[in-house]
Amino acid sequence: GAVVSQHPSRVICKSGTSVKIECRSLDFQATTMFWYRQFPKQSLMLMATSNEGSKATYEQGVEKDKFLINHASLTLSTLTVTSAHPEDSSFYICSARSDRAWEQYFGPGTRLTVT
Amino acid sequence: LAKTTQPISMDSYEGQEVNITCSHNNIATNDYITWYQQFPSQGPRFIIQGYKTKVTNEVASLFIPADRKSSTLSLPRVSLSDTAVYYCLVGDNDNAGNMLTFGGGTRLMVKP
Repeated sequence: GAVVSQHPSRVICKSGTSVKIECRSLDFQATTMFWYRQFPKQSLMLMATSNEGSKATYEQGVEKDKFLINHASLTLSTLTVTSAHPEDSSFYICSARSDRAWEQYFGPGTRLTVT
Repeated sequence: LAKTTQPISMDSYEGQEVNITCSHNNIATNDYITWYQQFPSQGPRFIIQGYKTKVTNEVASLFIPADRKSSTLSLPRVSLSDTAVYYCLVGDNDNAGNMLTFGGGTRLMVKP
């Protein structure tokens, strides 16, 4: 099946710094990538949708200037959490979808801890 | 978007069959029903998808009644490793945006 990777798997950063999370589709071209956030014991919440080569579409309530998304190639999307605060600590999950299939393939997630 | 309702949690024992039901009363004609499994600190994993009647794969079966207002995921002979959260999603395959809303999920605990 299609494989999506994320890097890093875990990251700890200090409050006020920025951190970048990468999402890669390893064996298919992902025309669309999605970013989710999941707090402990809660469900996944969609943050934004990005299409290769165009600006991301953010869900209501998600600050686009804080969560910068870049989808510059068909295999890579990045999420940068700028000026991170402890409340941004969460599990960030990406998924990817090609234009040939409906299914979205999920990455393993990135655990962000802001101290 | 069709909203889904699932039990918050379920307990079972090894070797038993587990049935998790999802309600989706306002499912649309073009909507499919998809189930995902998520282990702690991992991304969701696709289990099964169906439109109507019954679908079976090597992992599970999905039962969908004629009115399609609910669906039941059936896991045969569960093991401890099936302890996870199971999500039911409803949406149009041709419109990825419809398949992106995760409900609360059902937390399945399999006991020895």
